[in-house]
Amino acid sequence: AQSVTQPDIHITVSEGASLELRCNYSYGATPYLFWYVQSPGQGLQLLLKYFSGDTLVQGIKGFEAEFKRSQSSFNLRKPSVHWSDAAEYFCAVDLYGQNFVFGPGTRLSVLP
Amino acid sequence: DVKVTQSSRYLVKRTGEKVFLECVQDMDHENMFWYRQDPGLGLRLIYFSYDVKMKEKGDIPEGYSVSREKKERFSLILESASTNQTSMYLCASSRGGRVRKTQYFGPGTRLLVL
Repeated sequence: AQSVTQPDIHITVSEGASLELRCNYSYGATPYLFWYVQSPGQGLQLLLKYFSGDTLVQGIKGFEAEFKRSQSSFNLRKPSVHWSDAAEYFCAVDLYGQNFVFGPGTRLSVLP
Repeated sequence: DVKVTQSSRYLVKRTGEKVFLECVQDMDHENMFWYRQDPGLGLRLIYFSYDVKMKEKGDIPEGYSVSREKKERFSLILESASTNQTSMYLCASSRGGRVRKTQYFGPGTRLLVL
């Protein structure tokens, strides 16, 4: 079955530390890949997306993600986390012409 | 900027009431979606629509219906609300067709059914 996994339910990092959130998908073809962020009580905001081309994509708020076809992964990274990055992060895939499938989310806490 | 708005941020209803959640988008998008979000379960698709008056069931349509009379508006209806429908409801829209598309989300409606 098609699925998106985010192995970490909750991650805590210190402010200023680096961050990597993991996302893996199980599809035969390369899907379109997305990362969204949801601040408490808010809707989802698009951070970045990968459709094709350069496998390292830059997004808003200093985030980047790298698509690795061999590992079926699309991990989100940030070199230095800010307290305002505390939120829930969702990976999503859009298999061409079909609907989105979302991962279960990773909640990020940031220590001062 | 794409804007997706939802009629209410918070709603409190009683069991058995009929509930309407409204969503409006201003980008002339063909596709519109309703999700519910629950802790530990992520986002689950309830219904989507790819054109006016067209609708398709998502993964969890039971207990819900939808209406799309105009392109910009997509309504989610709980015919008889139950406590297990207490949740966060998110509306989204996207371009249509077999093209690369991004979903844009509204701020969500947090529904409490007593």
